[in-house]
Amino acid sequence: QHVVTQEPSFSVSPGGTITLTCGLSSGSVSTENHPSWYQQTPGQAPRTLIYETSTRSSGVPDRFSGSISGNKAALTITGAQAEDESNFYCLLNSGAIFVFGTGTKVTVL
Amino acid sequence: EVQLVESGGGLVQPGGSLGLSCAATGFTFNTYWVGWVRQAPGKGLEWVANIKPDGSERQFVDSMRGRFSISRDNSKNSLFLHVNSLRVEDTALYYCARWGHPYAVDVWGQGTTVTVS
Repeated sequence: QHVVTQEPSFSVSPGGTITLTCGLSSGSVSTENHPSWYQQTPGQAPRTLIYETSTRSSGVPDRFSGSISGNKAALTITGAQAEDESNFYCLLNSGAIFVFGTGTKVTVL
Repeated sequence: EVQLVESGGGLVQPGGSLGLSCAATGFTFNTYWVGWVRQAPGKGLEWVANIKPDGSERQFVDSMRGRFSISRDNSKNSLFLHVNSLRVEDTALYYCARWGHPYAVDVWGQGTTVTVS
């Protein structure tokens, strides 16, 4: 049973930079897990930000970037804006299985 | 405009069954993997199942294999999810999703709510 862990919450000041991480209970995350990232504000459907580790989905601002950092997938927001306040989820693939992370609530204040 | 519209949610008693539908418009449905993601009230996202463009392959989260079935009708640009032996913990908003990126969703529906009580 794969468990994908994320920080429960993060705070950032407007204009600041934060890096969210996505770890795998069974070991290291690599590009072979095809990490993707999603943003969701309360009451709304998720929005796709990043796929294949670091490729931005259409229309996603370049302040969002994805990478592998150490043994985890990472999402960096550079120059956070008020509208970035939301929940962020990663998604990992392992064979024919997909697992979402536990989610990180980001507060911009 | 690319769109996914779910329907079929509602209130069901434990042990009952339910069928969800997703109508796809604005793209060539039979060339995409599609599937379902659910979200329990106040909780995170949970992948449920995917189905290959021609319907020949299905992928499920292990805990749902057996009670959940996924199917599609490419002639009607529609995706379906049927759930048997519903449990209280199946209460969730069920999203239809297009897996248009490699190993990732690119289009989401607005969801349909299933309440088991």
